[in-house]
Amino acid sequence: GNSVTQMEGPVTLSEEAFLTINCTYTATGYPSLFWYVQYPGEGLQLLLKATKADDKGSNKGFEATYRKETTSFHLEKGSVQVSDSAVYFCALSDRGAVDKIIFGKGTRLHILP
Amino acid sequence: DAGVIQSPRHEVTEMGQEVTLRCKPISGHNSLFWYRQTMMRGLELLIYFNNNVPIDDSGMPEDRFSAKMPNASFSTLKIQPSEPRDSAVYFCASSFEGAKNIQYFGAGTRLSVL
Repeated sequence: GNSVTQMEGPVTLSEEAFLTINCTYTATGYPSLFWYVQYPGEGLQLLLKATKADDKGSNKGFEATYRKETTSFHLEKGSVQVSDSAVYFCALSDRGAVDKIIFGKGTRLHILP
Repeated sequence: DAGVIQSPRHEVTEMGQEVTLRCKPISGHNSLFWYRQTMMRGLELLIYFNNNVPIDDSGMPEDRFSAKMPNASFSTLKIQPSEPRDSAVYFCASSFEGAKNIQYFGAGTRLSVL
């Protein structure tokens, strides 16, 4: 079945460091791909999405490119801030009558000042 | 819009008691999802509804769990009887027809079963 695998955390970086969180997926067809973020004490919220191959999703300085050839959707940010500390979930849509979302296990990110 | 509203935010109960979690989806959204989040298992989809009808409850762990959606603006997740292993954060999320694969999450209910 469809699945998402993302790098395990926690990931700890200093402020202004470059961030990469790896994500690969297994899917039949052409799913949409997402990154959701969960700040402490809150629910998940959509960070960015890409709906087809070679699309780049971006938001708040974060970017991810839908790579069909490597079945990947890695999250990147050029200069992280303390406020980026959160748990990041890679996900894909499971197309059907109602679009379920399949989430990865999440990667906890700590940014040190 | 206030977003997805869940209540209570925190619930502490004793083993064997009935627990009811509540969710109000975003107005106009026609799909509703219940998730459970634990450190061990991560985020698990329990059940989801479309137009108030349960579509897939294969994620419900056992018969002690039940969910209802009596109308488009309200859903409940009930655990009876509760057990310590049910302790988790329970999230409700909703989506709408025009953007089916974007889900909007509530802030969650943190359940502790002693």
